[in-house]
Amino acid sequence: GQNIDQPTEMTATEGAIVQINCTYQTSGFNGLFWYQQHAGEAPTFLSYNVLDGLEEKGRFSSFLSRSKGYSYLLLKELQMKDSASYLCAVRDRTGTGGSYIPTFGRGTSLIVHP
Amino acid sequence: DAGVTQSPTHLIKTRGQHVTLRCSPISGHKSVSWYQQVLGQGPQFIFQYYEKEERGRGNFPDRFSARQFPNYSSELNVNALLLGDSALYLCASSSDREPFNSPLHFGNGTRLTVT
Repeated sequence: GQNIDQPTEMTATEGAIVQINCTYQTSGFNGLFWYQQHAGEAPTFLSYNVLDGLEEKGRFSSFLSRSKGYSYLLLKELQMKDSASYLCAVRDRTGTGGSYIPTFGRGTSLIVHP
Repeated sequence: DAGVTQSPTHLIKTRGQHVTLRCSPISGHKSVSWYQQVLGQGPQFIFQYYEKEERGRGNFPDRFSARQFPNYSSELNVNALLLGDSALYLCASSSDREPFNSPLHFGNGTRLTVT
């Protein structure tokens, strides 16, 4: 099984930088995903980390430390449209057929205010 | 290209009834997964299917079942509905059974309300 922990809610100011942390405990780790989910919509893929280090994609960056079971999502130059839930998902080999299944955390609700 | 499509978008059922939810993956995607998302929570894994075979099952009762068809579309069935089954049911497709860097692509979900 897995234990994924991320803060429930965060607030930040437009134009600022925010870091959303995710810690996890799992065996057979095979990657960590970050998804963005606006209210009433489906989750959309933001980033993927399988090796230690930082992955940068425009205003969004994601970091992974496998030894610490830790990841963060960094959002720069925040915009109002970034107000959403951010889901951390850890993939390991939990499927009955040996498949890799992503397991999601509860999500962090980010509120960006002017 | 069309994304993942799910039907119906909304559904209201009574306790004890059964429901069938449908999903069509992105063209070329052979893996379909089902997730249940309760308000304020992250998606919870229910099933994964690849090439018409079940490859993963989450911690859900036997009232939940699914199948995948030769065209890779999928159905999720829930029998003997309970109030607690009220949730958003998400279908996601990916290109491979073991997508080493292939993310899940989610549909917009089916909002099920059990009264």
